[in-house]
Amino acid sequence: DQQVKQNSPSLSVQEGRISILNCDYTNSMFDYFLWYKKYPAEGPTFLISISSIKDKNEDGRFTVFLNKSAKHLSLHIVPSQPGDSAVYFCAASGKGGSEKLVFGKGTKLTVNP
Amino acid sequence: GAVVSQHPSWVICKSGTSVKIECRSLDFQATTMFWYRQFPKQSLMLMATSNEGSKATYEQGVEKDKFLINHASLTLSTLTVTSAHPEDSSFYICSARGDRAFGGELFFGEGSRLTVL
Repeated sequence: DQQVKQNSPSLSVQEGRISILNCDYTNSMFDYFLWYKKYPAEGPTFLISISSIKDKNEDGRFTVFLNKSAKHLSLHIVPSQPGDSAVYFCAASGKGGSEKLVFGKGTKLTVNP
Repeated sequence: GAVVSQHPSWVICKSGTSVKIECRSLDFQATTMFWYRQFPKQSLMLMATSNEGSKATYEQGVEKDKFLINHASLTLSTLTVTSAHPEDSSFYICSARGDRAFGGELFFGEGSRLTVL
């Protein structure tokens, strides 16, 4: 049973445009959500997170939106750059992030010059 | 941010041998470390939670006798794949939870690719 779902395995956008990566979750106990970026043969690097008490968190070009009623979150990258091309993982945790992370399968983003 | 280092980053071994992978937190003490496994084009799957000075907690379906985890100090956890077989070939990633100075954030190692011939 997949508790965190990233239904789009891949996404391709033009440089300068907005990239929107989506993530859905099923466990209502999750209250902390994170996005990680991963290059091939490397470990994930943390991008941005959001607590369930918020519906938006912004950090530079990256914004995460959380819709608790829909159990849906999204990562917006504006403007997209070729260096953003990577696999993006959505992860969720309970108890404010102190519990283990549950990861989605990832979405491979390709930003074309 | 904090640094978590894994060694080796790439290892090839013969079937039946054992392989040890180290995970070190370089600039903070980590009472809790996590080991993940990633198959090609799949998600990171948590294998076990490693707590310093106590036995690791394994996720359902993970063989504790095959994947030995030792967290002997606050900066080092090791994963030993015993009697490795080709199906154990995978990308193994560790993470460590930072201490208060790092807000309890989770930091990941660079990963270790194991190929069993």
